Amino acid sequence: QKEVEQDPGPLSVPEGAIVSLNCTYSNSAFQYFMWYRQYSRKGPELLMYTYSSGNKEDGRFTAQVDKSSKYISLFIRDSQPSDSATYLCAMSASGGSNYKLTFGKGTLLTVNP
Amino acid sequence: GAGVSQSPSNKVTEKGKDVELRCDPISGHTALYWYRQRLGQGLEFLIYFQGNSAPDKSGLPSDRFSAERTGESVSTLTIQRTQQEDSAVYLCASSSRLSSGYTFGSGTRLTVV
Repeated sequence: QKEVEQDPGPLSVPEGAIVSLNCTYSNSAFQYFMWYRQYSRKGPELLMYTYSSGNKEDGRFTAQVDKSSKYISLFIRDSQPSDSATYLCAMSASGGSNYKLTFGKGTLLTVNP
Repeated sequence: GAGVSQSPSNKVTEKGKDVELRCDPISGHTALYWYRQRLGQGLEFLIYFQGNSAPDKSGLPSDRFSAERTGESVSTLTIQRTQQEDSAVYLCASSSRLSSGYTFGSGTRLTVV
């Protein structure tokens, strides 16, 4: 079992839809959870950063962490064609190696106008 | 600079040749990371530099891979005797602290033929 599992999609939605992206993980030591967005032929850019459990909202984006289920989610409201990209979840453990991120494979999202 | 700069953006090399990839981090970022992104795979951690501390090289896949960084400036990743399985996008990132997340460069797309 991989440490981080992410459905690669592809996921195709109409403009304005609510998008739900998810990752599961097996390492209970993970404490830091991130979502990155990667456009084609570009580097990933940080969208959301969460420590431990709970929700975090930033504009149209909401990140949720459920440590009891080892499950994290990213919700995108009122999705736009410009949201079309690959979304990567990433996480790390606390302690001395917290800089070392473990990534999911990414979910390819297309928002159709 | 305003972002993390990587060069070259694309590199095609013959099997067995050595290649050198360059990363120029954001000024003031003490931490620098190299990751590898193979087709259909998640990002894989390669190496981490933090200031003048000894680097964490635990992710380097073989002794053909090496990296250097002088102080808090430019880093180079060298792959000796390249193999076809080295074909990937090599991403460099820098950060000032983990809670701000990484800032990635656009990567070097390496193709070994």
